Amino acid sequence: KNEVEQSPQNLTAQEGEFITINCSYSVGISALHWLQQHPGGGIVSLFMLSSGKKKHGRLIATINIQEKHSSLHITASHPRDSAVYICAVDASGSARQLTFGSGTQLTVLP
Amino acid sequence: EAGVVQSPRYKIIEKKQPVAFWCNPISGHNTLYWYRQNLGQGPELLIRYENEEAVDDSQLPKDRFSAERLKGVDSTLKIQPAELGDSAVYLCASSLGPASYEQYFGPGTRLTVT
Repeated sequence: KNEVEQSPQNLTAQEGEFITINCSYSVGISALHWLQQHPGGGIVSLFMLSSGKKKHGRLIATINIQEKHSSLHITASHPRDSAVYICAVDASGSARQLTFGSGTQLTVLP
Repeated sequence: EAGVVQSPRYKIIEKKQPVAFWCNPISGHNTLYWYRQNLGQGPELLIRYENEEAVDDSQLPKDRFSAERLKGVDSTLKIQPAELGDSAVYLCASSLGPASYEQYFGPGTRLTVT
């Protein structure tokens, strides 16, 4: 069983829809990261959080430490949001190594 | 500010040939990571450097892979000889400190071994 599980694996939405991507993990963590990967490989860090909620523009990330679960929300989705979204955890006492989920491929149709 | 630079962006080689990837991290970033990403999967750490010291290389296949970070700045990852299963995207990332700091990724090198 992977330490980091994401759902769904693939998601297709219409422009304007509210989108939720989920991440569950099985280990204690010191931080959780949400990353965005566009075709061609470039990865951009969206959020790093260890508790509560963070918001940046149309993106919102939440984390529930007790339930070992995080969600990434996109409001008013746009075709340019189409990318792979990856959840990664910095496990407590992991010698500072990120463990990545396999990603969620999001496609937003115009 | 320049981001993490990697070269080449794409490389196609025949199996048993050697290949090398180069990474220049963001200036001032002491921590450098090499990841391998297979199609449809998340990145997997190969090696992590703190300055010039490799502090985590447990996932690096040492029979054919090697890495160096001379002077604690840019880094080279080498595969010799390459195998078909090495086809993947090789990503370099850097951060100011350990993994609890934000990591900045390069564009990656897509390796195809034929």
